[in-house]
Amino acid sequence: SQTIHQWPATLVQPVGSPLSLECTVEGTSNPNLYWYRQAAGRGLQLLFYSVGIGQISSEVPQNLSASRPQDRQFILSSKKLLLSDSGFYLCAWSAGRSYEQYFGPGTRLTVT
Amino acid sequence: AQSVAQPEDQVNVAEGNPLTVKCTYSVSGNPYLFWYVQYPNRGLQFLLKYITGDNLVKGSYGFEAEFNKSQTSFHLKKPSALVSDSALYFCAVRDSMNYGGATNKLIFGTGTLLAVQP
Repeated sequence: SQTIHQWPATLVQPVGSPLSLECTVEGTSNPNLYWYRQAAGRGLQLLFYSVGIGQISSEVPQNLSASRPQDRQFILSSKKLLLSDSGFYLCAWSAGRSYEQYFGPGTRLTVT
Repeated sequence: AQSVAQPEDQVNVAEGNPLTVKCTYSVSGNPYLFWYVQYPNRGLQFLLKYITGDNLVKGSYGFEAEFNKSQTSFHLKKPSALVSDSALYFCAVRDSMNYGGATNKLIFGTGTLLAVQP
């Protein structure tokens, strides 16, 4: 069966520090991968998606970047965090014609 | 423009009573519709989907949803609510405005908080 992992689970970082969040998927090949941010426990904002290694699409201009160095690995990064980057970051995957996305457990990021 | 609307920020229901969480959509072409549930500080869990076929879709944890094309709605239902059903519920529709549909991007509603009182 497929599983998706995210780490760390929680992170507290000072403003101006770098960021690296990692997401990995097991049990499937060539998945579509997604990074979302959820602010204030409500709406989901799609940040990036990827349909293959090295292929990244950005949905909104922002302080963040994403990379996909391996088929089942998706990384969210920032060189210098802003207070507004605080939130709950969710990684998700989908594959084939099932269309639904499956989400990881999330990373709670607090920028202080 | 494609969109999903969840008109209720919160739904309150007594345990044992039926529950309905509303969702309406606007898309080009045939809609692919989804419901997710999110418990506090957790990722979203997939409940059910409508792609084609029967208008009544059954999903996890006793939930079902009714697709109504004329009303462009996809309401989530459960015959008898449990306190443990209290959570945030999201409706989503597949973004059909993608070349070849390869991305499987979803458009999410703003979420409805379901509170089930014992």
